[in-house]
Amino acid sequence: DQQVKQNSPSLSVQEGRISILNCDYTNSMFDYFLWYKKYPAEGPTFLISISSIKDKNEDGRFTVFLNKSAKHLSLHIVPSQPGDSAVYFCAASEADRGSTLGRLYFGRGTQLTVWP
Amino acid sequence: EAQVTQNPRYLITVTGKKLTVTCSQNMNHEYMSWYRQDPGLGLRQIYYSMNVEVTDKGDVPEGYKVSRKEKRNFPLILESPSPNQTSLYFCASSHSYEQYFGPGTRLTVT
Repeated sequence: DQQVKQNSPSLSVQEGRISILNCDYTNSMFDYFLWYKKYPAEGPTFLISISSIKDKNEDGRFTVFLNKSAKHLSLHIVPSQPGDSAVYFCAASEADRGSTLGRLYFGRGTQLTVWP
Repeated sequence: EAQVTQNPRYLITVTGKKLTVTCSQNMNHEYMSWYRQDPGLGLRQIYYSMNVEVTDKGDVPEGYKVSRKEKRNFPLILESPSPNQTSLYFCASSHSYEQYFGPGTRLTVT
């Protein structure tokens, strides 16, 4: 059963507007969450992350929000640009035996299209 | 330049012909992993390794083998490929939560 879910396979947003990508998880032991961006013919690249002890992390145009009680996180992109068009994967990690090394569990991804 | 490399990038083969996809990282990372990406299914983990000689199954290990004899290399072996292993494969490495991915290997098994 999938432990990380991205229920919207696609999202279309006009340039300059806000893009909001959502992600839900089921495992309460997850302690770190990441967003990856993937362009066609390339490997996923890390975008932004958040620890379970925080509820918000911001990096330029990208902000991730974490709601632990709802087991929900979201990625906000403001303002959206055509170059942001890509597949976005949500991922969660359960640290292995106190180490920061651990498996990443990925959602199925959301295709974001930003149109001019 | 810090990177994860995979070879080959593209491979077309026939059912049953053993193949190996190589993965190498130059960042001295302890953790390495293999994923496959299929339409509508996202990234699914095949195998992972926490360190040299330490490997474990991910979510979809059937039909695959791995080995970790050196820290920098983590080859993926398909002993008898089948058409349902046609997919896009990614290798990744990390020293912490954030994983660095290779460029991908597109495998077609006919």
